[in-house]
Amino acid sequence: QKEVEQDPGPLSVPEGAIVSLNCTYSNSAFQYFMWYRQYSRKGPELLMYTYSSGNKEDGRFTAQVDKSSKYISLFIRDSQPSDSATYLCAMSAEGNEKLTFGTGTRLTIIP
Amino acid sequence: NAGVTQTPKFRILKIGQSMTLQCTQDMNHNYMYWYRQDPGMGLKLIYYSVGAGITDKGEVPNGYNVSRSTTEDFPLRLELAAPSQTSVYFCASSWEGAMGYTFGSGTRLTVV
Repeated sequence: QKEVEQDPGPLSVPEGAIVSLNCTYSNSAFQYFMWYRQYSRKGPELLMYTYSSGNKEDGRFTAQVDKSSKYISLFIRDSQPSDSATYLCAMSAEGNEKLTFGTGTRLTIIP
Repeated sequence: NAGVTQTPKFRILKIGQSMTLQCTQDMNHNYMYWYRQDPGMGLKLIYYSVGAGITDKGEVPNGYNVSRSTTEDFPLRLELAAPSQTSVYFCASSWEGAMGYTFGSGTRLTVV
């Protein structure tokens, strides 16, 4: 079993829809949870970062962590064509210098 | 402020050739990382460094070597290129370990 599982998609939704992206994980030591966005032929860029359980909101983006279920989510409201990218979840245990990444979900927003 | 700079952007190697992928950061970050990204496989850690003079293996180190003589530079060396090393290579740096990596734009390597 992989430490981090992420549905690779692809996922296509119409502009303006709410998008839900998810990851599950098996390592209960993970405490730091991140979402990276990667445009085609570019390096990933940090989008959202949360510590332990709970929600975090930043504009149209909301990150949720449910440690009891080992499940994290990223919601995108009022999706835009510019949101079309691959979204990677990443996580780390306390004191660990390394991130473990999911395989990424390719998202396309249709105008 | 250039961030993380990787060179070259593209390279085709023949089997058995060697090359060095360059990575430089200007943010005075102590932590630096090399990942490879294959389709459907996500990012796999090759090597990482927590400071000048200190390096450690990641998940997939075989066939690669690194050095970290300065804070700014973290080159990745391929000694005997194999087709299995065809991939996109990303260098990243961080101020606080796993928190907030800054990635370079990648090197696309094809071994034929």
